[in-house]
Amino acid sequence: DQQVKQNSPSLSVQEGRISILNCDYTNSMFDYFLWYKKYPAEGPTFLISISSIKDKNEDGRFTVFLNKSAKHLSLHIVPSQPGDSAVYFCAASATTSYDKVIFGPGTSLSVIP
Amino acid sequence: GAGVSQSPRYKVAKRGQDVALRCDPISGHVSLFWYQQALGQGPEFLTYFQNEAQLDKSGLPSDRFFAERPEGSVSTLKIQRTQQEDSAVYLCASSRGGAGANVLTFGAGSRLTVL
Repeated sequence: DQQVKQNSPSLSVQEGRISILNCDYTNSMFDYFLWYKKYPAEGPTFLISISSIKDKNEDGRFTVFLNKSAKHLSLHIVPSQPGDSAVYFCAASATTSYDKVIFGPGTSLSVIP
Repeated sequence: GAGVSQSPRYKVAKRGQDVALRCDPISGHVSLFWYQQALGQGPEFLTYFQNEAQLDKSGLPSDRFFAERPEGSVSTLKIQRTQQEDSAVYLCASSRGGAGANVLTFGAGSRLTVL
């Protein structure tokens, strides 16, 4: 049973436009959500996170939105740049226990120059 | 060190061989995790250490998988009698641990290919 879902395996966006990556989760105990970015032959690197007490967190070109009632979050990248081309993993944890992080299957983003 | 270091980066094993994968976490990080990432999928949790204590091994797929962190720093993931389905990238991550949310820092991974 997949607790974190990313239903779009891939996404192509023109440079300068907005990229929107979506994620859904099923476990109501999750209270901390993260996005990781992964280039080939490298480990995932942390991008941005959001606590369940917030509905939005912004860091430069990256914004994460959380809709708890829908158990849905999204990552917006504006403007998209070719260097943003990577696999993006949505992840979640229940911080009441420890830091165990559950990952989604990933969305491969291609930003076309 | 400055980051999480994993070795070897690449390992080819014949079916039935034993392999050992090493992880050097960030100095001072209390929590250490192992994940398995199959091709085209997200990282799947294997096991978790808090210092030297293995507090969660619920993700280990079989009793052929064994992990240890005897002194609370370096960790080794051992796979006995490797099978083809064990082929994957094995990722190690560490975090400060403690109360609240912590961000995991990952190593580059060890890619295991079982022939």
